[in-house]
Amino acid sequence: GNSVTQMEGPVTLSEEAFLTINCTYTATGYPSLFWYVQYPGEGLQLLLKATKADDKGSNKGFEATYRKETTSFHLEKGSVQVSDSAVYFCALSVGNFGNEKLTFGTGTRLTIIP
Amino acid sequence: KAGVTQTPRYLIKTRGQQVTLSCSPISGHRSVSWYQQTPGQGLQFLFEYFSETQRNKGNFPGRFSGRQFSNSRSEMNVSTLELGDSALYLCASSVMGDHNNEQFFGPGTRLTVL
Repeated sequence: GNSVTQMEGPVTLSEEAFLTINCTYTATGYPSLFWYVQYPGEGLQLLLKATKADDKGSNKGFEATYRKETTSFHLEKGSVQVSDSAVYFCALSVGNFGNEKLTFGTGTRLTIIP
Repeated sequence: KAGVTQTPRYLIKTRGQQVTLSCSPISGHRSVSWYQQTPGQGLQFLFEYFSETQRNKGNFPGRFSGRQFSNSRSEMNVSTLELGDSALYLCASSVMGDHNNEQFFGPGTRLTVL
C-alpha cells in the first residue's frame, strides 16, 4: 500500500535558522507529492507540490524536490520566521482516475522562537 | 471567492447518538473529500464524492456514511457514536478530485463524544 513517513517532532528552531523536515514515501505507481501546513485552529493549506521525479516545488521560501531514487520529498527553508510555526504534513496521491485520496504522514510540529 | 465552509465548527455528543456534519465546497468545485484527524491516527481518508457519487472510500466502519447533493454540498453522518470518534473532521474540495487539482480544506468540525 501507500504510506508516508515523516520526521518526528516537535521541532524547535530559532528565527533565521535553516529548516529541514524529512519525508519518505512508499507508493504503488507514480505518486504526486505534497506538503501541507496547518496553523492553529485552521484547516490544511497546500504549501507546495511536485508531480513527477526531479520536480522542485517551492512557495513562501520553502522548497522540496521529488527524489524518486531515494523516495524522498524533504522540506527545506533557508531562514525560518516566527510566522512559520505550524504543523507540516507530507502527503502523496496516486492514480489517474480523478478520485485519488491523499495519504498523509503523521505531521511535524514546528515552533520558531524569536 | 469564498473558501470551503464547514458547519458546525464544534459539536459535543454522547455515546450512542448520531451526528451530521456539513460541508459547502468552493463554488465550481465538484469533488468533496472527507478526512478524520486524531492525535493517535493522524489524518485518515474517509470518502470522496463527485457529482453525487461516492468514488472512493477509506477503511472506516459502516457507521460512517456520506452523501453529496446536486449543488456539490456534502454531508457526512456518523451513527452510534463511540468515544473514539472524537476527532477533527476535515472536508476538502477540488475541481475534479485528481492529483492535478489542488484540494482546498475547510477549517474542520471538532466533534467531542462524551
